[in-house]
Amino acid sequence: AQSVAQPEDQVNVAEGNPLTVKCTYSVSGNPYLFWYVQYPNRGLQFLLKYITGDNLVKGSYGFEAEFNKSQTSFHLKKPSALVSDSALYFCAVRDDLDRGSTLGRLYFGRGTQLTVWP
Amino acid sequence: DAGVTQSPTHLIKTRGQQVTLRCSPKSGHDTVSWYQQALGQGPQFIFQYYEEEERQRGNFPDRFSGHQFPNYSSELNVNALLLGDSALYLCASSLPPSYWGGTDTQYFGPGTRLTVL
Repeated sequence: AQSVAQPEDQVNVAEGNPLTVKCTYSVSGNPYLFWYVQYPNRGLQFLLKYITGDNLVKGSYGFEAEFNKSQTSFHLKKPSALVSDSALYFCAVRDDLDRGSTLGRLYFGRGTQLTVWP
Repeated sequence: DAGVTQSPTHLIKTRGQQVTLRCSPKSGHDTVSWYQQALGQGPQFIFQYYEEEERQRGNFPDRFSGHQFPNYSSELNVNALLLGDSALYLCASSLPPSYWGGTDTQYFGPGTRLTVL
């Protein structure tokens, strides 16, 4: 069964420092991986996705993510954190073997609260 | 370019009542998915509509039903509300997964916060 784990409920980092939000996944086939960000009382905003190709994916607002197939991970990174990056981050996965009744649905992790302090 | 819109923003109901939530997809999208996000949890897939039919369904009871209209907008209906139905309900739009084999991005609306008392 498809699943996503975000092992850290909370990540705290100082402004200007690099940040990493961790994500590991489990699928039967090959993964399609997504990162979303949620600000308070808002919906989810798409940051980036990995489908195939280069393991380093660049997305919105300076974020990037590294796909590691052997470690089944897709960690979100940013070289220099901003206070405005403080939000709830969700990793999500689809399985490329999904067909028919399960094709297209996303499986989400529980989320990681990122706090960037000045 | 209008994004995904949802109404209402907030809703308060009592147990046993029925509720209807509405969603308009992003321009150019014809597929709508609904998710439930309980407090402290990630979104859980409810169901997906395209071509005015329910195409997929997650592990939710029949009290949860939906509809898609010819203009691609969608409704989520929940009957016989329970306290546990209190959550943020998110609508996401995309192109049909059958076109892209599941690689297409889903874009989310701001959500409807449902509180059941």
